[in-house]
Amino acid sequence: QKEVEQNSGPLSVPEGAIASLNCTYSDRGSQSFFWYRQYSGKSPELIMFIYSNGDKEDGRFTAQLNKASQYVSLLIRDSQPSDSATYLCAVRGSSASKIIFGSGTRLSIRP
Amino acid sequence: DVKVTQSSRYLVKRTGEKVFLECVQDMDHENMFWYRQDPGLGLRLIYFSYDVKMKEKGDIPEGYSVSREKKERFSLILESASTNQTSMYLCASSPQAGRHGDYGYTFGSGTRLTVV
Repeated sequence: QKEVEQNSGPLSVPEGAIASLNCTYSDRGSQSFFWYRQYSGKSPELIMFIYSNGDKEDGRFTAQLNKASQYVSLLIRDSQPSDSATYLCAVRGSSASKIIFGSGTRLSIRP
Repeated sequence: DVKVTQSSRYLVKRTGEKVFLECVQDMDHENMFWYRQDPGLGLRLIYFSYDVKMKEKGDIPEGYSVSREKKERFSLILESASTNQTSMYLCASSPQAGRHGDYGYTFGSGTRLTVV
């Protein structure tokens, strides 16, 4: 079992709709959770982080964390073509050392 | 904003050459990392460092070495470049977890290395 799992996609969502990206992790003691966006040919950039159970909102983005079920999700409201990218879920485990990255979900927003 | 600067955006080297990839960060971060990213394989950790002159192997260290003589600089060395090392190389840095909260890693813009 991979430490951080994501569906590779592609996930195709119409413009203006809500895009929902999901991620599960194996280390029950994980402490911090991150979502990175990566445009083709570019490096990952941090868009959200969450530490506690529940929802965290930032503009059109909402991160959701459920530690009991060991999943974290990212919702993008009012999806725009500029949201088309690969989204990487990343988790800092209980050892608090390295961050483990998922392999990413490719999101495509269709006009 | 933290800046992580990688010296080259694109690099073409010949098989057998010794290749140096440089990474400099300007925010006094303790931790620095080198990844390579290939289609379908995601980010793979090559080496990392938690302090000056300290280094630890990641998941795929074979064929690579690193140097961290100064806190702000972390160099990746390909001892004898091979075609299977053609890839996107990404440097990242972060403060010690918990020192100022946990904001994950900041990545450089990447170096696309082609070995011919």
